[in-house]
Amino acid sequence: LAKTTQPISMDSYEGQEVNITCSHNNIATNDYITWYQQFPSQGPRFIIQGYKTKVTNEVASLFIPADRKSSTLSLPRVSLSDTAVYYCLVVTNDYKLSFGAGTTVTVRA
Amino acid sequence: NAGVTQTPKFQVLKTGQSMTLQCAQDMNHEYMSWYRQDPGMGLRLIHYSVGAGITDQGEVPNGYNVSRSTTEDFPLRLLSAAPSQTSVYFCASSYSTGLAAYNEQFFGPGTRLTVL
Repeated sequence: LAKTTQPISMDSYEGQEVNITCSHNNIATNDYITWYQQFPSQGPRFIIQGYKTKVTNEVASLFIPADRKSSTLSLPRVSLSDTAVYYCLVVTNDYKLSFGAGTTVTVRA
Repeated sequence: NAGVTQTPKFQVLKTGQSMTLQCAQDMNHEYMSWYRQDPGMGLRLIHYSVGAGITDQGEVPNGYNVSRSTTEDFPLRLLSAAPSQTSVYFCASSYSTGLAAYNEQFFGPGTRLTVL
């Protein structure tokens, strides 16, 4: 079972880029890396998913190096509304996975 | 579309009581799952289903039962509530199964359960 490790918290200011790195040392060949965002009193919301190299969508980018032992979620030009908990998880094909403890990102004015 | 709905939003139980947490989705998703979220531990998978009539255990299934008689509904039953089951429970659904099940799970708003 792939286990993920990510920082507990990060602080940033409006307009800055936030990069959250997640380590997943025992990721399997066919596993995907997925990120979710959660606001207080809400369920998590899918942000982005990737398998290798780089994936970009309208809200974030995901960078995955060749060895795939880590990945970095990049949030460009954050605003106060990006304050949330961000979860990295490795998607396996046996369903018996859990989200990690998450990274609390606080954006200040 | 209402998406994923959960009832109730809040519930207080006494030790030993039983109850059912309701979850429904109107997106015709095959995959549905239940998680519990505890402080500092993220979300842990309790049970999941890849379609009507099919359920399986996740990481922390003890003390919980599920059934999937229809595509839309996936209730979670607490058989005999214990204080250790105090948590926030989330139901989620996804349009596909297999590896793609986690591509984009849609989560409900959660049920906050307290067991005294």
